[in-house]
Formats: sequence, structure tokens, C-alpha cells
Amino acid sequence: EVQLVESGGGLIQPGGSLRLSCAASGFTLSSYSMNWVRQAPGKGLEWVSYITSVGSIIYYADSVKGRFTISRDNAKNSLYLQMDSLRDEDTAVYYCARSKGVAALDYWGQGTLVTVSS
Amino acid sequence: DIQMTQSPSILSAFVGDRVTITCRASQSISIWLAWYQQKPGKAPKLLIYKASSLESGVPSRFSGSGSGTEFTLTISSLQPDDFATYYCQQYKSYSPWTFGQGTKVEIK
Repeated sequence: EVQLVESGGGLIQPGGSLRLSCAASGFTLSSYSMNWVRQAPGKGLEWVSYITSVGSIIYYADSVKGRFTISRDNAKNSLYLQMDSLRDEDTAVYYCARSKGVAALDYWGQGTLVTVSS
Repeated sequence: DIQMTQSPSILSAFVGDRVTITCRASQSISIWLAWYQQKPGKAPKLLIYKASSLESGVPSRFSGSGSGTEFTLTISSLQPDDFATYYCQQYKSYSPWTFGQGTKVEIK
């Protein structure tokens, strides 16, 4: 069974840093591109970042470019999102999601809540 | 960036109704469109990819159509489990990828 489990969320002050992790199981992580998608409270979905299976291609949404860094460790079956210079508007549930083909997202984790507030 | 506009934002319907949700792209995205269902407090679930391909395990009452800039998600006979919020997502190469604002399907 494919499982994605996010961790690392919490309450952080504006300007702070946080590192999210996504533990993958039930499939070979090294064969898939992966994504982070977020959802602010009561709002819609926003794609955040994408990384190819071996990390050779990386994309970011303009809203996080230069502040967030996506990475992966296929040997540890893990995906990461390093979030620096956090802002109030980064408050959201962050989901990791597997790409089906290019970028349809066929499996999602349960999400981890990041709250940026002083 | 490619903008995705869904209509309606809220849809009230009875169990058994045929329901259609529309998603329009600000420029052509060929068939690079997916549809998701999300229930409160849960992660989204992929229903349709490449505009009309049904994801494995998804009931056949769900169908997708369209290409270019106009797309539709149809539920042929609405079931109690289908009351949720639905999102479209475009993934034409890298643009970046964007979601529609969502359509909430409510019980009438």
C-alpha cells in the first residue's frame, strides 16, 4: 500500500525556518517525481514545488522561490521541504504528493500544519 | 501563469442528479488537466487525469471531457459520498501548475 507521511510542521515566528519531511513507503520512491502542495485554512490548493525522481529538475511556485528548497533522499525513502524566511501567508497544511506521469498527483499524504505567527 | 477558473463555486444538488462542473484555462493546455475530490479535513483524491482518463478505483459515474481551454467533470448520478469540494489542476509542461478555486457540491 502506498503511504506518504508528512512531519515537521508546527508554530513558528515570522522570519523563522522549518524543515518538513515526507516518509514514503509501499512504492519505489526513486522511480517517481514528487511535489509539495499547500492549503491555507479555508482556502484552495496551491502547488508549491516539484522535484524529478533523481532531483535533476526542480521547480518552485513564484510565491516561495528563493525561500523554500525541495530535496529528496531516495535511499532513505524521504522527501523534504526546507522553508526559510517564513511569512504569515505561508500558514497552511502542507501535503506531499506523488506525480503520476508528469504532474497529476495520484497519492497524497495526510498533511502537516505550519502556522506562522508571532 | 495559466489561470484556472471553475464554475460554479457552489452547487446544490439532490442525490441522483446529474452534475457538471466546468473548468476554463486562460490559455490552451491541450489535455493536461486533472480533477480532484476533497472532503473536509482530508487530502485531495485524484479522480481524472489527462482530461478524461479515470483513475483506478474511481467509480465510473465520474467522467471528464474537454481539451484546449474548456473542460468538464460530470457525475452521472450523484451519491451521498460525492458531497465534497472538487478542484481542477492544469499541468501543461511547467507554467507553473495551477489549481482552480474549487467547486463545493452541497446537498439540496
